[in-house]
Amino acid sequence: DIQMTQSPSSLSASVGDRVTITCRASQGISNSLAWYQQKPGKAPKLLLYAASRLESGVPSRFSGSGSGTDYTLTISSLQPEDFATYYCQQYYSTRFTFGPGTKVDIK
Amino acid sequence: EVQLVESGGGLVQPGGSLRLSCAASGFTFSSYWMSWVRQAPGKGLEWVANIKQDGSEKYYVDSVKGRFTISRDNAKNSLYLQMNSLRAEDTAVYYCARAYYDILTGYYIDYWGQGTLVTVSS
Repeated sequence: DIQMTQSPSSLSASVGDRVTITCRASQGISNSLAWYQQKPGKAPKLLLYAASRLESGVPSRFSGSGSGTDYTLTISSLQPEDFATYYCQQYYSTRFTFGPGTKVDIK
Repeated sequence: EVQLVESGGGLVQPGGSLRLSCAASGFTFSSYWMSWVRQAPGKGLEWVANIKQDGSEKYYVDSVKGRFTISRDNAKNSLYLQMNSLRAEDTAVYYCARAYYDILTGYYIDYWGQGTLVTVSS
């Protein structure tokens, strides 16, 4: 199975900060990567797919990049509603795998 | 509006069985791969199983192979997860999810239900 890692596991940031989260796959996944946001007690919400394509309705402050095994989620200017846990997920294999998550909390 | 509504969760003893259901609406259910994803209390997301549109292909995470069975009834717009030989480590919120097809990169999860809690304990 393809293993996914994320860094950092948590971070503290302030409103307006630029935040970057990194995701690494154990093998190349050809941009078959999605990013999700999850708030406590809620289902995950899709933010980006195909590594860099923004899901409809998601604010443009969210962006994604990367290729091969290494991918990045960037929030250009952190807003109060962005404090949450973020997960990457590969769908290159039909046996999906998620990263362990990155918790973004208030500094 | 896409809706996925899970049911069937609850408290079950170790070694017991449970069947989860997911009622889908707002889209053509038979056109989509579907998935189950779980989340243990305070933990991250874990993919459990996928099923193809016609049910001809199924995939499972190793930890549930031989114990869980994913199935679907396209006439009833419903997805199921039969869980047997349950263990304490299966305790989690189980989410039903739809997988959307991107022509360049494949199937990714775009919609999630609200989840149903399964607790395995004596």
